[in-house]
Amino acid sequence: SYELTQPPSVSVSPGQTARITCSGDALPKKYAYWYQQKSGQAPVLVIYEDSKRPSGIPERFSGSSSGTMATLTISGAQVEDEADYYCYSTDSSGNHRGVFGGGTKLTVL
Amino acid sequence: QVQLVESGGGVVQPGRSLRLSCAASGFTFSSYGMHWVRQAPGKGLEWVAVISYDGSNKYYADSVKGRFTISRDNSKNTLYLQMNSLRAEDTAVYYCAKDKGLFHWGQGTLVTVSS
Repeated sequence: SYELTQPPSVSVSPGQTARITCSGDALPKKYAYWYQQKSGQAPVLVIYEDSKRPSGIPERFSGSSSGTMATLTISGAQVEDEADYYCYSTDSSGNHRGVFGGGTKLTVL
Repeated sequence: QVQLVESGGGVVQPGRSLRLSCAASGFTFSSYGMHWVRQAPGKGLEWVAVISYDGSNKYYADSVKGRFTISRDNSKNTLYLQMNSLRAEDTAVYYCAKDKGLFHWGQGTLVTVSS
């Protein structure tokens, strides 16, 4: 079955740039989406279609995709950005099944 | 604004059934595909199922195929997940989410499968 691979954890100091990667064989053909989930809360979309930012999401969140890797970048990470981040996409077989990466715990301290 | 409210969770014995509902408001429900996503305690997100805007197409994760059925009633703006033959590993918070990019999520409903 199709898989998306993320690092389990990323740690940065406040004000630094955090980069979270997501690798998957179908990413050259399929969009990546990124979600932020804080403890005890539902996930929130922060990046869609590789690099678009929904309204209300701070500009410090950006996304990119190249080849089999998508990247979420948080420029000037804030303490409030500490959360779990998940990438999401669909496989390329045409069955429309979704798949999440395993999630990355971002620590900002 | 978009609002999704899940209900129907609870404690159920292994092998039994449960039906979850997701009441939608704030958008034209009948125009969007809808998903179910779950999260086991302390674990990551797992995509469960998707249904097209008109209910004509449905796709499932291998882990639930043949046991779960996704459906919708566009006249009631409601999404459903019928869960049969429940197992301990189905214990999770179940979320409904809107559109192919999972743009909006409900707050989730907890399903606990335990004897």
